[in-house]
Amino acid sequence: ETGVTQSPTHLIKTRGQQVTLRCSSQSGHNTVSWYQQALGQGPQFIFQYYREEENGRGNFPPRFSGLQFPNYSSELNVNALELDDSALYLCASSSLAGFRDEQYFGPGTRLTVT
Amino acid sequence: GQQLNQSPQSMFIQEGEDVSMNCTSSSIFNTWLWYKQEPGEGPVLLIALYKAGELTSNGRLTAQFGITRKDSFLNISASIPSDVGIYFCAGRRDNNDMRFGAGTRLTVKP
Repeated sequence: ETGVTQSPTHLIKTRGQQVTLRCSSQSGHNTVSWYQQALGQGPQFIFQYYREEENGRGNFPPRFSGLQFPNYSSELNVNALELDDSALYLCASSSLAGFRDEQYFGPGTRLTVT
Repeated sequence: GQQLNQSPQSMFIQEGEDVSMNCTSSSIFNTWLWYKQEPGEGPVLLIALYKAGELTSNGRLTAQFGITRKDSFLNISASIPSDVGIYFCAGRRDNNDMRFGAGTRLTVKP
């Protein structure tokens, strides 16, 4: 069974630029959730994708957008990067097969905005 | 921002000691979860709790879902050096709304 993978591992961008982060879900999972984890904090929910549609969103501005592909992999796009966007971005996959469908996390992408 | 209050923020204990940490919220959750995160990795699920009052164990770890549905605790018995890491509680109302605490950083001295 393949776990959740994310790419790239680390990324450095300049304020105002755009970034795309990628996530491959665990085998058998059809749902991907994205989280932002600032230093010293717990993860904060950005949004979730199920069957290629957004299925819930946290308190993040529209410049945070995403996609899910037919193979259930996903992308997180952030436009007009700000310094405060520097964080660890985590994706988690789950199956939404029932009530007890827990989320399993990838290792994250460390984004630094300068 | 964080809606879950997790305490303590950090703990320094001797190998072999028991550990207790908890999480409280002003809101009701349907599911409580406990994750552990080590440097350079994503959170790893330790225990999931689905019913008020439920007490669940996973090896040396025991967690309980508070009867008010607004709190949960995690106990680790007979700590060992590999228990070092950051422990997060998370509460979930439905499948796409999971909130995390700020974490408890555990250090175990051999």
